[in-house]
Amino acid sequence: DAGITQSPRYKITETGRQVTLMCHQTWSHSYMFWYRQDLGHGLRLIYYSAAADITDKGEVPDGYVVSRSKTENFPLTLESATRSQTSVYFCASSEGRRSYEQYFGPGTRLTVT
Amino acid sequence: GNSVTQMEGPVTLSEEAFLTINCTYTATGYPSLFWYVQYPGEGLQLLLKATKADDKGSNKGFEATYRKETTSFHLEKGSVQVSDSAVYFCALRSTGGGNKLTFGTGTQLKVEL
Repeated sequence: DAGITQSPRYKITETGRQVTLMCHQTWSHSYMFWYRQDLGHGLRLIYYSAAADITDKGEVPDGYVVSRSKTENFPLTLESATRSQTSVYFCASSEGRRSYEQYFGPGTRLTVT
Repeated sequence: GNSVTQMEGPVTLSEEAFLTINCTYTATGYPSLFWYVQYPGEGLQLLLKATKADDKGSNKGFEATYRKETTSFHLEKGSVQVSDSAVYFCALRSTGGGNKLTFGTGTQLKVEL
């Protein structure tokens, strides 16, 4: 099906482990985003990308790494997971020229023990 | 910097009641304003938007008017249904801010029979 998908949907990992969250969109949107959602904070932008091979930091980038070698994929890596990174992570995409509307994936619930 | 302030929830209403969720913003220039809705277990979906002062966005019986003089974008619905139970996020995209959105903390709405 066309759209934006995230995997895994649920993940439990231990402190110090590396974790990669995947995001894939089928619209060839230029822009892609990673947010984290925490109670009392709403959504906070971690990283975003305006095109393949172009990424930039958002509001809360520390502890995260992104890459975008292909337009349709935007993986988010936690290099050494910490308990404070327990959260729900949302990926989003946007066409970016004619429309700035962001389309969100279903989210990944990550628990770091 | 940009910021969005929403009323805290949860807001609990009876079916067919009138809904108002307040949203005010701080931004330079002339931002575009959005309301997103998040149903349980899902990602965010765009509910409505307004791109300039005095514009009214509307969708599914919800409305919000872009008031520059009061820097507000309050969400209203005349008669809520149980199916409207969700979390509602106000957001802005500032001029010159690329394609990034700044979100409020979200307001949970519960509608009871």
